[in-house]
Amino acid sequence: NAGVTQTPKFRILKIGQSMTLQCTQDMNHNYMYWYRQDPGMGLKLIYYSVGAGITDKGEVPNGYNVSRSTTEDFPLRLELAAPSQTSVYFCASSRPRNIQYFGAGTRLSVL
Amino acid sequence: EDKVVQSPLSLVVHEGDTVTLNCSYEVTNFRSLLWYKQEKKAPTFLFMLTSSGIEKKSGRLSSILDKKELFSILNITATQTGDSAVYLCAEYNNNDMRFGAGTRLTVKP
Repeated sequence: NAGVTQTPKFRILKIGQSMTLQCTQDMNHNYMYWYRQDPGMGLKLIYYSVGAGITDKGEVPNGYNVSRSTTEDFPLRLELAAPSQTSVYFCASSRPRNIQYFGAGTRLSVL
Repeated sequence: EDKVVQSPLSLVVHEGDTVTLNCSYEVTNFRSLLWYKQEKKAPTFLFMLTSSGIEKKSGRLSSILDKKELFSILNITATQTGDSAVYLCAEYNNNDMRFGAGTRLTVKP
């Protein structure tokens, strides 16, 4: 039962570096999401996708990009990493208007 | 802007106590309200509420939604140390889900 798989689990970046956080799901869900969670805070939506080829901005999209070329994969790209992007990143997937299932998270530090 | 507000932000109780966690929301195009439990890692789903006044139960946990007053409560009876977690409430409107900041519950032996 893989569900939603995120890689890597941890990463340290230097300011200005770029990286891609990977997310894949095997539940054939149309909807996928990226959130960030800062210490003591709830989850903030970065980007979401309602199907392959369709993406849309959430609450906090600045500094990030996404793509959705397949139903299964929804990578999140950070260009020019900044300390403000230090956070825990969660990917989730769902059927339309239904329960979201979350990956285990990626803990990112930008130093 | 849509808002989801949870209270209290943190709560410390002893095993066996009953707790009530609150979630209020101000949203347009409301579709459903969800409760999640977050321990060390990913949030895990507890309840989804779409209809007012219908209680959902799972063991010692229960939740109810009031769509007129725009709030939901999560009750946990006979708390155990394993209930210690952050409890997140989220409202779902169309394609978007907004989370509250969470209530951190600590259950002491």
